[in-house]
Amino acid sequence: DVKVTQSSRYLVKRTGEKVFLECVQDMDHENMFWYRQDPGLGLRLIYFSYDVKMKEKGDIPEGYSVSREKKERFSLILESASTNQTSMYLCASSPIPSDREGYTFGSGTRLTVV
Amino acid sequence: GENVEQHPSTLSVQEGDSAVIKCTYSDSASNYFPWYKQELGKGPQLIIDIRSNVGEKKDQRIAVTLNKTAKHFSLHITETQPEDSAVYFCAASIPHRDDMRFGAGTRLTVKP
Repeated sequence: DVKVTQSSRYLVKRTGEKVFLECVQDMDHENMFWYRQDPGLGLRLIYFSYDVKMKEKGDIPEGYSVSREKKERFSLILESASTNQTSMYLCASSPIPSDREGYTFGSGTRLTVV
Repeated sequence: GENVEQHPSTLSVQEGDSAVIKCTYSDSASNYFPWYKQELGKGPQLIIDIRSNVGEKKDQRIAVTLNKTAKHFSLHITETQPEDSAVYFCAASIPHRDDMRFGAGTRLTVKP
């Protein structure tokens, strides 16, 4: 069974902390994505990567960075967490082109910044 | 850039009734339109998709229609069951990039 695994289901962090969200996929997909999900706003793309060490900004990259050192792993980094980054974070992966089989999503990480 | 609008935001139906969710997109060059279902506590899962060279696609109780001229596409669920209760997202491909723009989601509740 193909999988995208996010390391934490729930996280609580303090304002100003550096936060790492980890995502691993076992499907040998080239593309990986980080989305943020908020009620009424749907899924908004933060960053995506189409290859190791490559990254592209999405619609809301401010306050975030990413790292892709290995094909299977894509990390989202909150450099200095703020309360407005409290949200559900979803990782996804896909082959190239992504419309070959669509995205496979992880189960999400619910981050609360206090 | 591509913009996707989805309606309604919430939908409640009786078991056995049909449910229809509608989306519009802005970029006429978009050519791939998937639908995702998100159950409580889980990530979204692809349930059906349609490409721009097709007007309709069916998979058992689920169908999707695409009107390229009007730039809208719809998800139709027939004979709804309580397990169809979930949040549904439409999406449209972004031309010249290998990612997608998602709608805001529809929370479907099927009452027994």
